[in-house]
Amino acid sequence: DAEITQSPRHKITETGRQVTLACHQTWNHNNMFWYRQDLGHGLRLIHYSYGVQDTNKGEVSDGYSVSRSNTEDLPLTLESAASSQTSVYFCASSPTGQGNTEAFFGQGTRLTVV
Amino acid sequence: GESVGLHLPTLSVQEGDNSIINCAYSNSASDYFIWYKQESGKGPQFIIDIRSNMDKRQGQRVTVLLNKTVKHLSLQIAATQPGDSAVYFCADSLWIDKLIFGTGTRLQVFP
Repeated sequence: DAEITQSPRHKITETGRQVTLACHQTWNHNNMFWYRQDLGHGLRLIHYSYGVQDTNKGEVSDGYSVSRSNTEDLPLTLESAASSQTSVYFCASSPTGQGNTEAFFGQGTRLTVV
Repeated sequence: GESVGLHLPTLSVQEGDNSIINCAYSNSASDYFIWYKQESGKGPQFIIDIRSNMDKRQGQRVTVLLNKTVKHLSLQIAATQPGDSAVYFCADSLWIDKLIFGTGTRLQVFP
């Protein structure tokens, strides 16, 4: 079955380190998204991509970057991890041109920056 | 800017009763609305969606109502069950396929 997977599921890192969270989907979806989820803020969009070589900033993109070298993967990089980036991160994908924008979410990555 | 919010952070209902979760959105140009359910430790799961050319859409035990005049969205769950306990998010988007989420409502079902 097609799916979307995130790795790792849990990560502890130190302030200042570079961290990369992986997201891989097997639906061949063009759209991919990264959200962070914090208590009281719901899901906030970090970066998104509408296809290979396309990346766009979301509402909370500072300190994060993404790259889209193929359809299946959208890794999220924290250039220099900060305690404020402690959060749960969700990756999602959705198709285009199919009359709806339902997004399928991964299981999440819990990141702790100490 | 675009924003989607929820009126109630926590909703407690008795098993078997109907639940109504409300949501307000600010962007009158939004043309697609969606409800997600998130259980503890899991990613959001799609429940039901509706386009702006509709006022009501029904699924299995769930109904979404859209009132474009007052920019209000609601999710109705019939005969609420313990398995419905979760956080529910509404989200809206414009044609660009980008979803903007509200802060979520926690639904608690008690026997």
